[in-house]
Amino acid sequence: SYELTQPPSVSVSPGQTASITCFGDKLGNKYVCWYQQKPGQSPVLVIYHDSKRPSGIPERFSGSNSGNTATLTISGTQAMDEADYYCQAWDSSTVVFGGGTKLTVL
Amino acid sequence: EVQLVESGGDLVKPGGSLRLSCAVSGFTFTTAWMSWVRQAPGKGLEWVGRIKSNTDGGTTDYAAPVKGRFIISRDDSINRLYLQLNSLKTEDTAVYYCSIMEYTSSWHFDYWGLGTLVTVSS
Repeated sequence: SYELTQPPSVSVSPGQTASITCFGDKLGNKYVCWYQQKPGQSPVLVIYHDSKRPSGIPERFSGSNSGNTATLTISGTQAMDEADYYCQAWDSSTVVFGGGTKLTVL
Repeated sequence: EVQLVESGGDLVKPGGSLRLSCAVSGFTFTTAWMSWVRQAPGKGLEWVGRIKSNTDGGTTDYAAPVKGRFIISRDDSINRLYLQLNSLKTEDTAVYYCSIMEYTSSWHFDYWGLGTLVTVSS
């Protein structure tokens, strides 16, 4: 079965750029979404179709996808961005989520 | 405002059954593709399955761990999505979320409920 691999944790200083990666075989041939989940809350879509932002999502969130790796980039990271982030793709008719990355803003 | 409200979560013994419900408002449910996603305590998101709109055939697809045990259905007359959980195992313990899928260049999960907790334990 298809797998998406994320680093368990990423740390970033406030105001700096955070990059969270998602690895999958030929992932660049699929469309990737990213979800943010804060403790005790439901997931929120922050990026879809590799790099598109839903309305209401700040411009500091961006995404890319090429080769075997998709990347979520948060520019000028703020304390409120501290959360778990999950990548997601479709494989045939099933959905695959990455294992999640805990972003810590120190 | 789009709202999804899950209900039906409970404590159930291994081998037991349960039916979850998701009430949808503020969205055209009849044309919506819907999914269930679960999250075990302290763990990541896991897709459970999806049902297409009846206008698109109403067919379902399931993740391998639940295929043959779980059934997704819908009642468009009352804007409700259901998840029938059968032959429950301890590893099915999780918060179950319902989600509206939207297609904007690609499929994604645009709206989520708050979830309902299913605990499978003897």
